[in-house]
Amino acid sequence: AQKVTQAQTEISVVEKEDVTLDCVYETRDTTYYLFWYKQPPSGELVFLIRRNSFDEQNEISGRYSWNFQKSTSSFNFTITASQVVDSAVYFCALSEAYGNNRLAFGKGNQVVVIP
Amino acid sequence: DVKVTQSSRYLVKRTGEKVFLECVQDMDHENMFWYRQDPGLGLRLIYFSYDVKMKEKGDIPEGYSVSREKKERFSLILESASTNQTSMYLCASSRFPGLAVYNEQFFGPGTRLTVL
Repeated sequence: AQKVTQAQTEISVVEKEDVTLDCVYETRDTTYYLFWYKQPPSGELVFLIRRNSFDEQNEISGRYSWNFQKSTSSFNFTITASQVVDSAVYFCALSEAYGNNRLAFGKGNQVVVIP
Repeated sequence: DVKVTQSSRYLVKRTGEKVFLECVQDMDHENMFWYRQDPGLGLRLIYFSYDVKMKEKGDIPEGYSVSREKKERFSLILESASTNQTSMYLCASSRFPGLAVYNEQFFGPGTRLTVL
């Protein structure tokens, strides 16, 4: 069975600080996909990134970056120079290759950016 | 832009009522999903569908049923609403996985259901 753990429930940072969200996953499949979603106060989940298990390259998109390490089963997310608009709940999710696109979500990280 | 819409943002129902939550997507996606979101529990899959008239149970199907008569529409039904079904309900859709491609899910804005 697939499982995703996001240990920190709520994280508060002062604006312009960096914040890293940890995601640890468990799966028996060798082929799987990892995702991060953002849920702002409006409620709608917004897709941020997808990474497949064969691609361990880190990725940067503006102030967002992701570090994927298969050796530790982790897919961590860093927001650099945080802004108030980054205040949201962030979810890490895992999909195994033969699961009809089913996602297993972590419990989410509530990020509060204090101006 | 993919658009997933849900029939209501807020809904208040009484215990024992039959409740219908509707979800419509406009991108011809094969897969559709219903989740509920509760504080401290994250998102949990109730049911999903990979084709018209097809459905699969998710992790917490008890007390719910679904209907998919048309490709773009996926309905969640609470046969007899109970207070423990008070929650945020999120619908999502995605394209069917292709070879070596796994597609992200697109979410609707959610329906916050309160059962009194």
